[in-house]
Amino acid sequence: AQSVTQLGSHVSVSEGALVLLRCNYSSSVPPYLFWYVQYPNQGLQLLLKYTSAATLVKGINGFEAEFKKSETSFHLTKPSAHMSDAAEYFCAVTSVGSGNTGKLIFGQGTTLQVKP
Amino acid sequence: ETGVTQSPTHLIKTRGQQVTLRCSSQSGHNTVSWYQQALGQGPQFIFQYYREEENGRGNFPPRFSGLQFPNYSSELNVNALELDDSALYLCASSYGQGGIYEQFFGPGTRLTVL
Repeated sequence: AQSVTQLGSHVSVSEGALVLLRCNYSSSVPPYLFWYVQYPNQGLQLLLKYTSAATLVKGINGFEAEFKKSETSFHLTKPSAHMSDAAEYFCAVTSVGSGNTGKLIFGQGTTLQVKP
Repeated sequence: ETGVTQSPTHLIKTRGQQVTLRCSSQSGHNTVSWYQQALGQGPQFIFQYYREEENGRGNFPPRFSGLQFPNYSSELNVNALELDDSALYLCASSYGQGGIYEQFFGPGTRLTVL
């Protein structure tokens, strides 16, 4: 079975400060990991994904994440927050395997607030 | 290239009624997955359709059912609506059924059950 835990349901940073959103996963098979962003009243947009290639993954809008197998973590970072980054962020896991649907298992989400 | 679209945007139903939600997949995609996102929660996988066949199902009762059509668009049907069915329903399409294929999400349908 797979699961995702996002530490901190709400994170508040000042504009220009470092953004760090935490995600830990559990998976009995090699995982694929994703970060999605959701703006109010919208669907999910993919920020970045890890699919067993480079462990440091760069995504859109200046975000990046590092896959650390020993820590079962996939934390999302951005060096300098913008007001437009305020949104809900979801970490998700899936895996590759015979008959696998690729269904995504999501964490509970982290609301990022950016203060001026 | 048109993205994933869903209709309607919002819907209000009463307990016990039935509802049908629709999803048009992105051009070239043959797989559609449906997710339920309750308020303040992450999305939960309902089921997936691949080339018109149900390909996998999450922990949802049989009153949640679906279809996929030859053009790969899809419907989600929910019978005997309950208050807890109030949620944002997200559709996602992809080129294939495995985890390696990125899922592209639509804007969702907000269902309110009174």
